[in-house]
Amino acid sequence: QVQLVESGGGVVQPGGSLRLSCAASGFTFSRYAMHWVRQAPGKGLEWVAFIRHDESSKYYADSVKGRFTISRDTSKNTLYLQMNSLRAEDTALYYCARDRTNFDFWGQGTLVTVSS
Amino acid sequence: DVVMTQSPLSLPVTLGQPASISCRSSQSLVHSDGNTYLNWFQQRPGQSPRRLIYKVSNRDSGVPDRFSGSGSGTDFTLKISRVEAEDVGIYYCMQATHWPITFGQGTRLEIK
Repeated sequence: QVQLVESGGGVVQPGGSLRLSCAASGFTFSRYAMHWVRQAPGKGLEWVAFIRHDESSKYYADSVKGRFTISRDTSKNTLYLQMNSLRAEDTALYYCARDRTNFDFWGQGTLVTVSS
Repeated sequence: DVVMTQSPLSLPVTLGQPASISCRSSQSLVHSDGNTYLNWFQQRPGQSPRRLIYKVSNRDSGVPDRFSGSGSGTDFTLKISRVEAEDVGIYYCMQATHWPITFGQGTRLEIK
């Protein structure tokens, strides 16, 4: 069965960095585009970043552009989100989700807290 | 950016009664490939979002048939024919036709 398992969240000071991972299993990872979506505490869903299956295209929300980088390692079936220059407003539960338009499977999320 | 506007934001419903959530987009969601990439998600308390409906009206496997999606262009609706206790949660529409991908604000469904 399809599984997406996020990790790498934690508490970080403003201006700091963190790298999130999303381990994929149960499907052919190399064939699917992937997304990161976040949810601030008590708030709605916000799309963050996208990467095509072959890494030929990457898109970012304006709120993270220039600070976050999405990448993937097909040999490890893993999606990444490198987050730099973190701000308090980046505090959220970060989910990975599968497919360009479908978002048919989501992980359980990993919590990032940016606080001094 | 395409703005997705849901209404109502809060929806108290009596068990067994129908419920309806509207989602309007600030521009047409018809993609150049002819598809309309409008999805509906359910987020139960403490859980990840779960897709219910994709491309306006296609129900996901395992989703009860009391859930249905309809609409076209800029106007979309999620209907629950008879609300059950397990339907409590927040419902989001999402468009994936235009970049950036955007979500509605969410509609909180509760039992009266």
